[in-house]
Amino acid sequence: DAKTTQPPSMDCAEGRAANLPCNHSTISGNEYVYWYRQIHSQGPQYIIHGLKNNETNEMASLIITEDRKSSTLILPHATLRDTAVYYCIVRVASGGYQKVTFGTGTKLQVIP
Amino acid sequence: EAGVVQSPRYKIIEKKQPVAFWCNPISGHNTLYWYRQNLGQGPELLIRYENEEAVDDSQLPKDRFSAERLKGVDSTLKIQPAELGDSAVYLCASRRGGGQGRMNTEAFFGQGTRLTVV
Repeated sequence: DAKTTQPPSMDCAEGRAANLPCNHSTISGNEYVYWYRQIHSQGPQYIIHGLKNNETNEMASLIITEDRKSSTLILPHATLRDTAVYYCIVRVASGGYQKVTFGTGTKLQVIP
Repeated sequence: EAGVVQSPRYKIIEKKQPVAFWCNPISGHNTLYWYRQNLGQGPELLIRYENEEAVDDSQLPKDRFSAERLKGVDSTLKIQPAELGDSAVYLCASRRGGGQGRMNTEAFFGQGTRLTVV
């Protein structure tokens, strides 16, 4: 699985958009970009994933650059409950055996 | 639908003692993972099961760790004997598998078991 690089921490004002970057310059053509988050004392929670097109769901939007070497997770209106560690992961999603390898993630602090 | 259930939630043991963790994955999920998470770090994979078969246990310290997934459903992770460095949160996750859509590829995690070895 390709390695990802994320900033260790970020702050965001409540109600504003939180933009979390991730670099994955060695991503392979069949690897997807996944985002998980982990709120204190809980297990990681899936947020969103994508291959090359931008994706949006009820939780967030995922913007993937055209060369797929980086992506940005966008929380459009951050709330205090969005304070968590956010993990960017790249992995194969189709068939076969696969594992999810986490890095150290970005600790997002939403400030009132 | 119930999520991934792990027990116990917390465990404190003395070093050299054995300990076991239990995981009940989401019904119908073929893939089961055990992760270990040290303080301030991301989860690290210990073992992955596809049904009852352990298909990736390269990160499992086999001298003291063992795992089983009888009948391809529940799983247990055991440490014997425990060492001080085993103190961590042990996470179990499951995934349906079998395709590319979110339903098949999203992994669901339990709340974990926090182990403290003293």
